[in-house]
Amino acid sequence: GAGVSQSPSNKVTEKGKDVELRCDPISGHTALYWYRQRLGQGLEFLIYFQGNSAPDKSGLPSDRFSAERTGESVSTLTIQRTQQEDSAVYLCASRESSGGFETQYFGPGTRLLVL
Amino acid sequence: AQSVSQHNHHVILSEAASLELGCNYSYGGTVNLFWYVQYPGQHLQLLLKYFSGDPLVKGIKGFEAEFIKSKFSFNLRKPSVQWSDTAEYFCAVPVGYNKLIFGAGTRLAVHP
Repeated sequence: GAGVSQSPSNKVTEKGKDVELRCDPISGHTALYWYRQRLGQGLEFLIYFQGNSAPDKSGLPSDRFSAERTGESVSTLTIQRTQQEDSAVYLCASRESSGGFETQYFGPGTRLLVL
Repeated sequence: AQSVSQHNHHVILSEAASLELGCNYSYGGTVNLFWYVQYPGQHLQLLLKYFSGDPLVKGIKGFEAEFIKSKFSFNLRKPSVQWSDTAEYFCAVPVGYNKLIFGAGTRLAVHP
């Protein structure tokens, strides 16, 4: 596809359940980001993947959050034992390895609601 | 720690009014600055950027921003807004090569 895609677009879950969010980056983009946007707040950096390098996980808020990426393709963000404060829009972005942030493209986001 | 502050969380304007959205950052190193926009139902997209040189930068759709180093500011401006400018606007600054720090955003509503 032409852009970054994410699925599902909306997810409602019960507190304590695990959820998995998916991101398909733009083909050829080696850098991939996950951000979280809680209501009324800016985007929070969660994790960054660059090619085969070790990911930068410094933004993950707790050990309930994890993310994986297979090569330079799909990434999944997993939240275990969800809590109500995890409710947010989760955004994925990808960019070219040689490009700066001006080449970063965002997906439409997954809106997560934890009841 | 680096941070980005946006002063106005909600702005309501009539068409043709002038717009200025404030953005202040705290970062001691070389500064690159960005404004992103998210139109209703659309993806977040880059509006304009500052890397170096002329502190007045122009972006898409008639927007511009001025980098004032002494004030640690990068305010977004548009002389005459349109209804189609209704959106949420985010100021951002990169930290190193890996991360963007975003402000909390400003929701702009333009009434016809």
